[in-house]
Amino acid sequence: KAGVTQTPRYLIKTRGQQVTLSCSPISGHRSVSWYQQTPGQGLQFLFEYFSETQRNKGNFPGRFSGRQFSNSRSEMNVSTLELGDSALYLCASSLVSSGANVLTFGAGSRLTVL
Amino acid sequence: KQEVTQIPAALSVPEGENLVLNCSFTDSAIYNLQWFRQDPGKGLTSLLLIQSSQREQTSGRLNASLDKSSGRSTLYIAASQPGDSATYLCAVTNYLGSGGSRLTFGEGTQLTVNP
Repeated sequence: KAGVTQTPRYLIKTRGQQVTLSCSPISGHRSVSWYQQTPGQGLQFLFEYFSETQRNKGNFPGRFSGRQFSNSRSEMNVSTLELGDSALYLCASSLVSSGANVLTFGAGSRLTVL
Repeated sequence: KQEVTQIPAALSVPEGENLVLNCSFTDSAIYNLQWFRQDPGKGLTSLLLIQSSQREQTSGRLNASLDKSSGRSTLYIAASQPGDSATYLCAVTNYLGSGGSRLTFGEGTQLTVNP
């Protein structure tokens, strides 16, 4: 079966712009969680969605937002981009809660902010 | 606040060696612990998941142990191969009052297995 698909894989933006990243989970998975990975901070939790509801949010500013659709696909948006937002953004899906089951990660979306 | 530490940060071994990667966490009220592998520029691949009630899990040449009371886990890799070269990450799950959960990751151990 298809894995977790993230698009786009690579993108370059300039400061002040906004970006939307997409994540399609494994078929049947209802939980989608997002992580930011940077060399300095490692992997940090952004948010978790389940059945179109945000269950949990990490310690990120309001510029970071997300949503989940009825088909479990999820998007995250970052507005007013800053240089420090350059990172690999990873999405993971699981059957139910992200903590109870094995997570399957996508390949990530690498964002560069100039 | 949960904190996860992995030691060593980097490890280089010759092919065939057995090795141990260490992970420690500060809050023992975890739901489970997972070990992941990450290849350069790629996403994470789940290797093993240990529930809080379990002591260890095995998959092929990999064995992970969990001592929840002391806040420690180890990943044992037997007969290492060059293809095992990657960054290994440990993550613990804590449940939150909202019904959601949060994974906290360590910084990872970068493993190089030399032919």
